[in-house]
Amino acid sequence: NAGVTQTPKFRVLKTGQSMTLLCAQDMNHEYMYWYRQDPGMGLRLIHYSVGEGTTAKGEVPDGYNVSRLKKQNFLLGLESAAPSQTSVYFCASSYGGHRQETQYFGPGTRLLVL
Amino acid sequence: AQTVTQSQPEMSVQEAETVTLSCTYDTSENNYYLFWYKQPPSRQMILVIRQEAYKQQNATENRFSVNFQKAAKSFSLKISDSQLGDTAMYFCAFKDNNNDMRFGAGTRLTVKP
Repeated sequence: NAGVTQTPKFRVLKTGQSMTLLCAQDMNHEYMYWYRQDPGMGLRLIHYSVGEGTTAKGEVPDGYNVSRLKKQNFLLGLESAAPSQTSVYFCASSYGGHRQETQYFGPGTRLLVL
Repeated sequence: AQTVTQSQPEMSVQEAETVTLSCTYDTSENNYYLFWYKQPPSRQMILVIRQEAYKQQNATENRFSVNFQKAAKSFSLKISDSQLGDTAMYFCAFKDNNNDMRFGAGTRLTVKP
């Protein structure tokens, strides 16, 4: 049982390049989330999904897209990376329904945009 | 929008002593959830304790306990018998029923031997 895993662990991009971050969970969770963490700040929600095939915007969605084609995977895409997107990205998942509130986090992906 | 405030950027405590981390939040909701997460240098976010707003009894998990004051919108974390492994960033978080999860800026706790 690996929990929540994220790929890659670290990436360097040039401004304007695109990339996709992959999050996978093996806990059969309905809900999945993408956050970013910047120095001196807590995590901020980018997008989330309440089930396969569904996505919704969080607090800071601009510049990102997501997809949830399979229940166990949640992808975060950057179509044209900007230096402001340099951050540590965390994925999380949780059960649906009344147990949805506790989120389990992945180890994070550190992204540097030059 | 909900906001979460942690007014102590850094704190330190001697090993085996007790320390309290503060958290306040702002919401107009009546039903919500509160959490404390720990983030050690490995960056892994680890759930320490959680509290449902409709429960009056304060949550406890071994050496960790909370003081939940709903009317004051305060949710402090008490760590008893501090251990070196407790050194980490601690984040307070608020979640309503609409999947909107908000984190505070964090408190860096150092446990000194």
